[in-house]
Amino acid sequence: AQSVTQLGSHVSVSEGALVLLRCNYSSSVPPYLFWYVQYPNQGLQLLLKYTSAATLVKGINGFEAEFKKSETSFHLTKPSAHMSDAAEYFCAVTGRGAQKLVFGQGTRLTINP
Amino acid sequence: NAGVTQTPKFQVLKTGQSMTLQCAQDMNHNSMYWYRQDPGMGLRLIYYSASEGTTDKGEVPNGYNVSRLNKREFSLRLESAAPSQTSVYFCASSEVRGSYPENTEAFFGQGTRLTVV
Repeated sequence: AQSVTQLGSHVSVSEGALVLLRCNYSSSVPPYLFWYVQYPNQGLQLLLKYTSAATLVKGINGFEAEFKKSETSFHLTKPSAHMSDAAEYFCAVTGRGAQKLVFGQGTRLTINP
Repeated sequence: NAGVTQTPKFQVLKTGQSMTLQCAQDMNHNSMYWYRQDPGMGLRLIYYSASEGTTDKGEVPNGYNVSRLNKREFSLRLESAAPSQTSVYFCASSEVRGSYPENTEAFFGQGTRLTVV
């Protein structure tokens, strides 16, 4: 079975500041981990994914995430926030042989000017 | 390349009415999913289909039925709509490739905003 916990339903940062969105997972099989972004009134778009290759994964729009097995974490970061990053972000997990894709509760990111 | 297409985009139902949400994908994926999204709840899995001809319950299946009509299409039916089913519904498809995990990714439709009054 798999599950995901996103710490913090709302995160607010200033433009130009570091963005850190936290995700911890539980998985009974080697996990595949994803971050998705959802802009208002739109569907979900893949930011980046970890599927057992490099543990530091780079995605679109300057985001990256690091898979840490010892901490069961897959936190999303961006060095410098931009106003266009304001959106809701979802962490998700599936795994080798798993059939379901399970999402966290989401984190709404607000960027302050 | 259309990806995942959902219809309709918006729907208003009266309590007790029935309707079917349609989903089709053109990526030849084996797995398809139906989620509902509610404020503060993230995306919750309603039903999924790991392959053509199979369906399984997710986290919140009560009040819904699904049909995997063929490899491309996966429909979600509300037999007797209730206000608690007011939500945004997303269909997704994916292919978990054991030999090529780097190709694993889920693609989403644009969503159906359903209101039950």
